[in-house]
Amino acid sequence: DSGVTQTPKHLITATGQRVTLRCSPRSGDLSVYWYQQSLDQGLQFLIQYYNGEERAKGNILERFSAQQFPDLHSELNLSSLELGDSALYFCASSELGQHEAFFGQGTRLTVV
Amino acid sequence: GIQVEQSPPDLILQEGANSTLRCNFSDSVNNLQWFHQNPWGQLINLFYIPSGTKQNGRLSATTVATERYSLLYISSSQTTDSGVYFCAARRGDRGSTLGRLYFGRGTQLTVWP
Repeated sequence: DSGVTQTPKHLITATGQRVTLRCSPRSGDLSVYWYQQSLDQGLQFLIQYYNGEERAKGNILERFSAQQFPDLHSELNLSSLELGDSALYFCASSELGQHEAFFGQGTRLTVV
Repeated sequence: GIQVEQSPPDLILQEGANSTLRCNFSDSVNNLQWFHQNPWGQLINLFYIPSGTKQNGRLSATTVATERYSLLYISSSQTTDSGVYFCAARRGDRGSTLGRLYFGRGTQLTVWP
């Protein structure tokens, strides 16, 4: 168990819908990262939050947004979903930016 | 960003065999991690190894940061070793709050009984 908790584990939804993925980092970790893993793109960095503030952005679509709350848990919001958004979404956390990162079990999103 | 290349892309072994997986990276990195993604999709930390050599049971890893590569050794393979092995690198100052990982495409390992 990595200590990073993601919910839900599986999500099936229709095109055009909106979903929220939730992540609780390891106790004491201030950094939260979101990654998307699809078959053709591999593991892609989406966004990083550090202690409640957005710290870095990667290949995140405008239809996607995230935030980190005062208790350090994070949510990734995906809207106007398309078939191509089907993927495994991972949350990771680390104490600081340069420390070892630990990953949650992932949320498998299927858009039908 | 950092380019991370892993080889070989696929590896098929008989149980009991040894193997070496390689990870090359394009730029100076401060940190490197190896992960195992099991058939259920979980990413499991194997090594956090910015430099030097570490061992954990049948697995060991070596990173030569000055030459921009890392190696993962698996000895006496077991069927439970099957899955995808990823290396991931990050750069930046040690005190930096930035920490995104750049992933390679992985090595798909299949171990047959």
